[in-house]
Amino acid sequence: AAGVIQSPRHLIKEKRETATLKCYPISRHDTVYWYQQGPGQDPQFLISFYEKMQSDKGSIPDRFSAQQFSDYHSELNMSSLELGDSALYFCASSFLAGGDTGELFFGEGSRLTVL
Amino acid sequence: LAKTTQPISMDSYEGQEVNITCSHNNIATNDYITWYQQFPSQGPRFIIQGYKTKVTNEVASLFIPADRKSSTLSLPRVSLSDTAVYYCLVPEGQAGTALIFGKGTTLSVSS
Repeated sequence: AAGVIQSPRHLIKEKRETATLKCYPISRHDTVYWYQQGPGQDPQFLISFYEKMQSDKGSIPDRFSAQQFSDYHSELNMSSLELGDSALYFCASSFLAGGDTGELFFGEGSRLTVL
Repeated sequence: LAKTTQPISMDSYEGQEVNITCSHNNIATNDYITWYQQFPSQGPRFIIQGYKTKVTNEVASLFIPADRKSSTLSLPRVSLSDTAVYYCLVPEGQAGTALIFGKGTTLSVSS
C-alpha cells in the first residue's frame, strides 16, 4: 500500500519568499500532522487536522498556515521565509476514527532550504 | 514542552538487550504510550504502542507498570542497524492529536 506522499522533496527559496508543501495521507486516514525538524533537532509539532478541521496547534509561526482539503490532502503554506525556516518538514497521517491514537505514519519529508 | 523525559543517550553492543525508560508522570487516564524510531533525515517510524502491563511485537516489547508513570522499551539482541534516536510520546493538546516529540534517546550500537 502507498505510504504518505510529500511534495516537493526538496525546495530552495530566498528570504522573504513563500513556499507551499503538500501532503497526501494514506488512503482512508482521517488525520494529518505537520512537523518541522531543524538540523540536529527533535521534530517540532506544528499543527494537526482531523476530518478537515484543525484539531491541535503547536509551535507554528504566524507566517505559516495550513489546511486539509476535501480529498484529505493537506498543504502547509509558509510566507516571509526566514533563514531559520530551513528544515525538514514531515507530514504524518493516522486513522483516528479507527482508534489509531498515536500510531502515525510519516512521509519522507520535504527539505526546505532558505538562502 | 513534551510530557515525557528520557535519557539523552545510551550505548550498547551487538547482541545485547537494550532497555530505554521514559517518564510520563502526568499521563492522562485514557492516554496510550507510543514509541518511535528515527534514522537521520528520515521520518520517525512507529515501533510499539501500549496502555498498560506488557505489549510485544516482532521488534520490541513495551513494559508499563501499574501506575503508568513510566514505560520501558525493550529491544532484544540489538544490531548495528538499531543505531537511531528513540522517542516515547503521549498525546497532548485539546483534541489529543498533538503528539509532541521530546528529547529522544540516541542509541549507539557497536560491534
